[in-house]
Amino acid sequence: QVQLVQSGAEVKKPGASVKVSCKASGYTFTSYGISWVRQAPGQGLEWMGWISAYNGNTNYAQKLQGRVTMTTDTSTSTAYMELRSLRSDDTAVYYCARCFGYGSDYWGQGTLVTVSS
Amino acid sequence: DIQMTQSPSTLSASVGDRVTITCRASQSISSWLAWYQQKPGKAPKLLIYKASSLESGVPSRFSGSGSGTEFTLTISSLQPDDFATYYCQQYNSYSSFTFGGGTKVEIK
Repeated sequence: QVQLVQSGAEVKKPGASVKVSCKASGYTFTSYGISWVRQAPGQGLEWMGWISAYNGNTNYAQKLQGRVTMTTDTSTSTAYMELRSLRSDDTAVYYCARCFGYGSDYWGQGTLVTVSS
Repeated sequence: DIQMTQSPSTLSASVGDRVTITCRASQSISSWLAWYQQKPGKAPKLLIYKASSLESGVPSRFSGSGSGTEFTLTISSLQPDDFATYYCQQYNSYSSFTFGGGTKVEIK
């Protein structure tokens, strides 16, 4: 069965970086993309970006350009999302999701990232 | 960037009611729209893709329609398990897969 398992919760200070992992199993990793979506406490869903697991092409939300990097390791079927220069308003649950072009059909369990001094 | 506007933001309904949620795009997105259901503390669940295609395993009381700039998600007979928040997401432009702001369906 398809599973996306994310790394554990993180607490970071403002200005630091965080790297969240998303290990995929149960399907051919390179046949799909991975989207990253975050949700601040009590707020809606925010699309952060997308990476093709086939060729590594990326597309990032304009507001995060320059601060976010998405990568994949096809040898371990793992996707990564790194966010730099963290601010308090980056506090959120971060999700990875398998993206098949028309929607995201399988999601990770979410990773809480807390940014606090 | 394409903006997605959902309405209403909150909806109060009873079990058995027919419920309709609207999502409007700031420009045409053809049929590149997905709908998700999210319950508190859980990841979103895909319900509908390509505006009207029902994801496998999703009950047939859920349906989607529309194209261009206006889309609807309909729940034909609301069930207790359907009280949740619903989001639309556009997939037309690879520059940004924007979400709508969400519609919370509450018990009346």
